[in-house]
Formats: sequence, structure tokens, C-alpha cells
Amino acid sequence: AQSVTQPDIHITVSEGASLELRCNYSYGATPYLFWYVQSPGQGLQLLLKYFSGDTLVQGIKGFEAEFKRSQSSFNLRKPSVHWSDAAEYFCAVGANNAGNMLTFGGGTRLMVKP
Amino acid sequence: ETGVTQTPRHLVMGMTNKKSLKCEQHLGHNAMYWYKQSAKKPLELMFVYSLEERVENNSVPSRFSPECPNSSHLFLHLHTLQPEDSALYLCASSPSGRGQETQYFGPGTRLLVL
Repeated sequence: AQSVTQPDIHITVSEGASLELRCNYSYGATPYLFWYVQSPGQGLQLLLKYFSGDTLVQGIKGFEAEFKRSQSSFNLRKPSVHWSDAAEYFCAVGANNAGNMLTFGGGTRLMVKP
Repeated sequence: ETGVTQTPRHLVMGMTNKKSLKCEQHLGHNAMYWYKQSAKKPLELMFVYSLEERVENNSVPSRFSPECPNSSHLFLHLHTLQPEDSALYLCASSPSGRGQETQYFGPGTRLLVL
């Protein structure tokens, strides 16, 4: 069975600083990977996804993520954080042989200092 | 309306009550999902429906009873819940329920069981 680990429960960055949120997955074959963002009181919004091809994927709101098979990682990055990026971020992995069922990490709560 | 909508947004119920959560998707999708999001726990998949047929029941207690009358609507019927069932219940949909699909989430219903 697949699993996802987001090692950082909370991260605080200053506005304008760069950001990297870590995601490690465990799965025996090629996974497909997602990053979602959840603002307070809201559902999950898709930021970006990786299915195959170029390992650096671009998403909405200036986010990008890089799939590194050798490290079983799919870290999310943004070069300059805005106050509106404060939210909770979830990494998820899906397995090709499991229908469309996703396994989510525990989430990373991002706080942005002015 | 567009996307995935959920009603009610907030619900308070006693342990002896019966209530229902409703989800509607306006995306023309054929698969729908119920997730439970508790504090300090990863997002948990509860049920998956594809073409109105339940394809996954993730060991959920029988006090939760899903219903999918058509591909646009999904209900979660609740009865004799426990305080530990208090959580955010998220609905999602995807095109077919097969692999490598993006799931689109609703805003959730915040449930409090007293």
C-alpha cells in the first residue's frame, strides 16, 4: 500500500521569501502525485499534479514541484511567498492499480509573516 | 452553480439524531467520493461511487450510510453518531473513477456531534 509523509507540520516564512514544502511517498511503482491547498473553512484546491513526462511541473499561483524518483520525493516550491499563500498544503499519491483512490499526507500548515 | 457544492456547510447534531449531508457536482463527472478530515489525522477516504455503484467502502462504521441516486448527487446519511465523528466531511468528484484522474473537492460540511 502507498503512503505519504509530510515531515513538516508547521512552517513559517516571511513574505517575499522562498518556500519549499517536503513530500515523501512510498509506492512500489510509478505513482501519480498531487499537491492540494486548503484555505480555512474551504475544500481542497488542486495546485498541480504529476502523472508522467517532465519531472518539473508548474501549477497555479506560481507554485512548482519536482518529482525525484531516486528520493521518492515530490517537493513543492515557490520563489516568493505572498501573504495570501497562508493555508494548509496536502500532498497526495495515487497508484495506477488502485482505481482512483488517493492517499494523503498529514498536511503542512504554512504561516506567512509580514 | 459550478464545481462541487455541499450542504449544509455546518451541522450540529446530537448522538440520537438522524441527518444527511448532500453533495452535488456540476462537472459532468461519473465518480464521487466522501472523505473525512479530522483534526490531527490525514484525510481519510470513506466511500467511492463510480456510475452510481459503490466501488469502495473503506471500513467505515455502519452509522454512516452513503447513497448515490445519480452521477451528480451523493448523500451521506448519519445516525447515532459518536462525538469522535465530529470532523469536516469533504465530497469530491472525478471524470470516471479510473486511475490518474484529478479529484475536485467541495467546500465540506463541518459536523459537530454533541
